[in-house]
Amino acid sequence: DAKTTQPTSMDCAEGRAANLPCNHSTISGNEYVYWYRQIHSQGPQYIIHGLKNNETNEMASLIITEDRKSSTLILPHATLRDTAVYYCIVRVGGSQGNLIFGKGTKLSVKP
Amino acid sequence: GAVVSQHPSRVICKSGTSVKIECRSLDFQATTMFWYRQFPKQSLMLMATSNEGSKATYEQGVEKDKFLINHASLTLSTLTVTSAHPEDSSFYICSARAHSVLANSYNEQFFGPGTRLTVL
Repeated sequence: DAKTTQPTSMDCAEGRAANLPCNHSTISGNEYVYWYRQIHSQGPQYIIHGLKNNETNEMASLIITEDRKSSTLILPHATLRDTAVYYCIVRVGGSQGNLIFGKGTKLSVKP
Repeated sequence: GAVVSQHPSRVICKSGTSVKIECRSLDFQATTMFWYRQFPKQSLMLMATSNEGSKATYEQGVEKDKFLINHASLTLSTLTVTSAHPEDSSFYICSARAHSVLANSYNEQFFGPGTRLTVL
């Protein structure tokens, strides 16, 4: 079973920041948090991952709480092309563990 | 980022026939490949994990004799759906994990574009 909880859906205005929350209260000390997204009828696309520290790349920022029980993915300036299902995944089993997908959050970016 | 391809992207077949789907890592060596299945409006479900040169490990409830997986090289894995039936119609997605020498220490996992299987 997935070890994460995400809202089913969210809306965001184009050009605004999209903040997608994820709860992972049972996460263990060596388990990474990964974010992927899936645009309709395509394979999942890697976004970002982290362990303890906040992370930022060209796509997004990942904010992990100090107790690591939750995290937030931030898309700083959402565009219509960011409309997708966003999956927050806790990789069980360290770097060799499998990615088990939950239901994700359907983000709709609106003009 | 690394590229994973799948072929075919879409296939329609008659009930009872077998269908082979190929998954290739184009610019890296994949020691481990994964096969997922996704039904409409549902999430991805992991079917099996395969390591190059060894037998695949199937998730609970996935029939290994129906879904044959071959991972003969570090860049190619195939999934064969044997004696396909309409309930096997789904979106099949492969994923490849980079060899640790070629990727960073986090063993990134990359996904293919998926294969839409329709069984009539």
